[in-house]
Amino acid sequence: ETGVTQTPRHLVMGMTNKKSLKCEQHLGHNAMYWYKQSAKKPLELMFVYSLEERVENNSVPSRFSPECPNSSHLFLHLHTLQPEDSALYLCASSQEGTGFNYGYTFGSGTRLTVV
Amino acid sequence: QKEVEQNSGPLSVPEGAIASLNCTYSDRVSQSFFWYRQYSGKSPELIMSIYSNGDKEDGRFTAQLNKASQYVSLLIRDSQPSDSATYLCAVIQLYSGNTPLVFGKGTRLSVIA
Repeated sequence: ETGVTQTPRHLVMGMTNKKSLKCEQHLGHNAMYWYKQSAKKPLELMFVYSLEERVENNSVPSRFSPECPNSSHLFLHLHTLQPEDSALYLCASSQEGTGFNYGYTFGSGTRLTVV
Repeated sequence: QKEVEQNSGPLSVPEGAIASLNCTYSDRVSQSFFWYRQYSGKSPELIMSIYSNGDKEDGRFTAQLNKASQYVSLLIRDSQPSDSATYLCAVIQLYSGNTPLVFGKGTRLSVIA
């Protein structure tokens, strides 16, 4: 496996379900991110983990719960979602802390539909 | 609040022409600039980065940066139908902590054969 992998690629869930999105990076990066992409909106930053510590929670509802057990893995736990939460959820990773940024590498995303 | 502005398009150009995509940003201390390409239903892919004023060329792509005007652009020469996608501009500060990338809404490019 190379780059950033996300599973599942597609997810349909009911409003009462609990599910988790998984992200794994194989690049040796030390920071990982969750972004939400809805139609006709810019990428919305949800969570940032740097060296396994959450450094930013961008006013995300508590029905989204991130988990970063180590620098290579990132999860997004979902429960009691709303239909407006339907979107493309993107994971990204980067190497931080060197005073220079080479950009993020994105995973292929999870297309989430809440019914 | 840091903002990145792009014309949402669509920008339509004929095959073989030069496509010019523009981006302005509000935060004067922004130091690193990126262009991502996103095909419909796919994730963003980094295609260019630029850190200093002037032009940077990579194949058919040229990124141009003017920090005084807070303006960054992407030129695509000899545009191909396969270049049809949404192009996202992203900016970030040089920092010692962790400041995430700020993305624009993207410009949709359509290259017509």
